[in-house]
Amino acid sequence: QKEVEQNSGPLSVPEGAIASLNCTYSDRGSQSFFWYRQYSGKSPELIMFIYSNGDKEDGRFTAQLNKASQYVSLLIRDSQPSDSATYLCASIPGNQFYFGTGTSLTVIP
Amino acid sequence: DVKVTQSSRYLVKRTGEKVFLECVQDMDHENMFWYRQDPGLGLRLIYFSYDVKMKEKGDIPEGYSVSREKKERFSLILESASTNQTSMYLCASTGGGRRTSGGAGFGPGTRLTVT
Repeated sequence: QKEVEQNSGPLSVPEGAIASLNCTYSDRGSQSFFWYRQYSGKSPELIMFIYSNGDKEDGRFTAQLNKASQYVSLLIRDSQPSDSATYLCASIPGNQFYFGTGTSLTVIP
Repeated sequence: DVKVTQSSRYLVKRTGEKVFLECVQDMDHENMFWYRQDPGLGLRLIYFSYDVKMKEKGDIPEGYSVSREKKERFSLILESASTNQTSMYLCASTGGGRRTSGGAGFGPGTRLTVT
């Protein structure tokens, strides 16, 4: 079983809608979770991190963590075509990062 | 912001060649990582290092070795390049030592083609 699992998609949403990206993890000892955005041909860039149960908001992005269900999500409000990318979820169960395979998001104008 | 640089953006090598990929970070981070990224397989960890001269194997270390002689520099070595090592190679760094903390900053990647 992989440490971090994501639905690979692709996910398509119309411009202005809410995009919801989901991730589950297997190690209950994981404390920190990260969302990265990766444009085609580019390296991943960190957009959100969350350590505590509940929601964390940063602009149009909201990360949600539910440790009991071992579930992390990323909501993107008012989606824009520039949000079209692959989104990677990552956790740190020890001293190394484990990444999901990523979810491809397309925002349709 | 973390600045992570990699020695080459694109590299073409022949089968059997010894290949060196270098990564440098300027944030005094303890932890450095080498990943390869292939379509459908995501990011797979090759090796990581949490201190100078320290290294640990990741999920796919076979065919690779690493060197960390200075804190800011982490090198990935392909001892004898093979075509199945054609991939995008990404270096990352983060602070925290054995207790990794904070998000990892990535370098721009090296697209390696082995012919």
